[in-house]
Amino acid sequence: AQKITQTQPGMFVQEKEAVTLDCTYDTSDQSYGLFWYKQPSSGEMIFLIYQGSYDEQNATEGRYSLNFQKARKSANLVISASQLGDSAMYFCAMTHTGANSKLTFGKGITLSVRP
Amino acid sequence: DAGVIQSPRHEVTEMGQEVTLRCKPISGHDYLFWYRQTMMRGLELLIYFNNNVPIDDSGMPEDRFSAKMPNASFSTLKIQPSEPRDSAVYFCASSLDRGAVETQYFGPGTRLLVL
Repeated sequence: AQKITQTQPGMFVQEKEAVTLDCTYDTSDQSYGLFWYKQPSSGEMIFLIYQGSYDEQNATEGRYSLNFQKARKSANLVISASQLGDSAMYFCAMTHTGANSKLTFGKGITLSVRP
Repeated sequence: DAGVIQSPRHEVTEMGQEVTLRCKPISGHDYLFWYRQTMMRGLELLIYFNNNVPIDDSGMPEDRFSAKMPNASFSTLKIQPSEPRDSAVYFCASSLDRGAVETQYFGPGTRLLVL
């Protein structure tokens, strides 16, 4: 069974600073993918970044990067140069290939960016 | 390209009424997922389809819920009869099927309130 753990109850960061949002996962599969989604107060789910289990490099997308530590089963999201618009709920999720391709989500982390 | 389209965006109904939620996936996507988000349970998968065929409906709460995908561009999630505990945000998501892990793209969601 897959499990995603996000234990940080809420995070605060000063505008323009970097912040790390933690995510650990549990799976017995070798092939899987890890995702981060952003959910602002308006409610939509916005895809941010993806990391494949076989990717040797950490994924980056603009100001977002994923600190993937496979042995520790962690996939932390790093947001650099925080902006006020980054204030939102952030979800870590994982899925597998093919017939078991449903996403399993963590409970999410609330990030608030202070001006 | 248009993203995933859901309708209605908001629905308020009375207990016992039938509710139908609609989804149009991204053109060319082979997978379609229905998720439900509540404060208590977070984001959970209800059912997903591959090439219009239901693959896993183990997340459907009970017989009051049903989902169909009559063609590649349309799916419905029906609740009959609705109950107050069905109040939630219902998301539809879609992804490609290329035999590997794929990103799921979410629609804006339908916010359902059952009185």
